Amino acid sequence: ETGVTQSPTHLIKTRGQQVTLRCSSQSGHNTVSWYQQALGQGPQFIFQYYREEENGRGNFPPRFSGLQFPNYSSELNVNALELDDSALYLCASSVGLSYEQYFGPGTRLTVT
Amino acid sequence: QKEVEQNSGPLSVPEGAIASLNCTYSDRGSQSFFWYRQYSGKSPELIMSIYSNGDKEDGRFTAQLNKASQYVSLLIRDSQPSDSATYLCAAYHEGGGNKLTFGTGTQLKVEL
Repeated sequence: ETGVTQSPTHLIKTRGQQVTLRCSSQSGHNTVSWYQQALGQGPQFIFQYYREEENGRGNFPPRFSGLQFPNYSSELNVNALELDDSALYLCASSVGLSYEQYFGPGTRLTVT
Repeated sequence: QKEVEQNSGPLSVPEGAIASLNCTYSDRGSQSFFWYRQYSGKSPELIMSIYSNGDKEDGRFTAQLNKASQYVSLLIRDSQPSDSATYLCAAYHEGGGNKLTFGTGTQLKVEL
């Protein structure tokens, strides 16, 4: 059974640029949720995708957007990067809308 | 008021002792609760889930839930140095993306 994978592992971007992060869900999982974790904080919910549709969104501006593909993999796009976007971005997958979510290794984004 | 609250610690216990980690939540509509373990620089790993009042045991871990008091705890018996990590408490909210709301985590240190 393959776990959740994310790419890239690390990324350095300049303020104002755009970034795309990728996630492949665990085998058998069709729901993907994205979280942002700042240093010393718990993960904060960005949004969730189920059956290729956004199924809910946290308190993040529209410059955070996403996609889910037919194979259940997902992308997180962030436009007009700000310094405060520097964080660990986590993808979690689950079976349908079940409660238990399993995280990938994360992408560390640094905005300079 | 934060929705999920944890003492940030650090909580220090000697090897072999019982570590007790606590969490309170404000949303009475929260249905399910989870404990994640996060090693420094790594992503959260699901270690326990609990859905109904009472205790749930899995190996050295016991999760306790009291919905009337809005209180969740995690007990780790026979603590080992490898248990040293940050423990994140999360509450599940149905609707709005079925998101997990996390506390800021409690740092546990198991000393030799």
